[in-house]
Amino acid sequence: SAVISQKPSRDICQRGTSLTIQCQVDSQVTMMFWYRQQPGQSLTLIATANQGSEATYESGFVIDKFPISRPNLTFSTLTVSNMSPEDSSIYLCSVSGAGGNQPQHFGDGTRLSIL
Amino acid sequence: AQTVTQSQPEMSVQEAETVTLSCTYDTSESDYYLFWYKQPPSRQMILVIRQEAYKQQNATENRFSVNFQKAAKSFSLKISDSQLGDAAMYFCAYRSESYQFYFGTGTSLTVIP
Repeated sequence: SAVISQKPSRDICQRGTSLTIQCQVDSQVTMMFWYRQQPGQSLTLIATANQGSEATYESGFVIDKFPISRPNLTFSTLTVSNMSPEDSSIYLCSVSGAGGNQPQHFGDGTRLSIL
Repeated sequence: AQTVTQSQPEMSVQEAETVTLSCTYDTSESDYYLFWYKQPPSRQMILVIRQEAYKQQNATENRFSVNFQKAAKSFSLKISDSQLGDAAMYFCAYRSESYQFYFGTGTSLTVIP
């Protein structure tokens, strides 16, 4: 299975600032996903990032707030812009093969706290 | 849209005993996949087991097995001979024909020594 490195693992940020989270995969993957997970809750999909096209955002998430880059098949970034305390959460990157019964494989997540 | 429901927010099991975690889903698709993930306090999501909807045989991975009832849209996870390391949040997940994943709300499993 793919090995996913996510950086930073945690950060504490000031209100109004922005943070970019990086996701690096050790192999080429078609589909990359960004999730948000509030403490003790399930995963909420923010967007799907496919190389060569604009990210597809889920309802409630917009590009101005969560811009995503996917410059190649092994790397993606998620930026959390103009942060507020409500953005405090764990952000998870995951990847999946395109076909068959491919599961998603996850990075270790980024724990973000906004003061 | 597909929905995944885990009706048990918390479960506990005695060490070495067996526990079953429930999951139901709603879909109109015929070709999909189902997964169980485990998330320990370290927070990394770990794949436990997968099931293809077109297969009637229930998937098994060592101490983990599923009871897949397609008509009932039910996908429960059975953990046999529970170990302390099994303590974690367990998420049921559905992968659609368009490769979208939908996760349940999770079940927190406690293993009692």
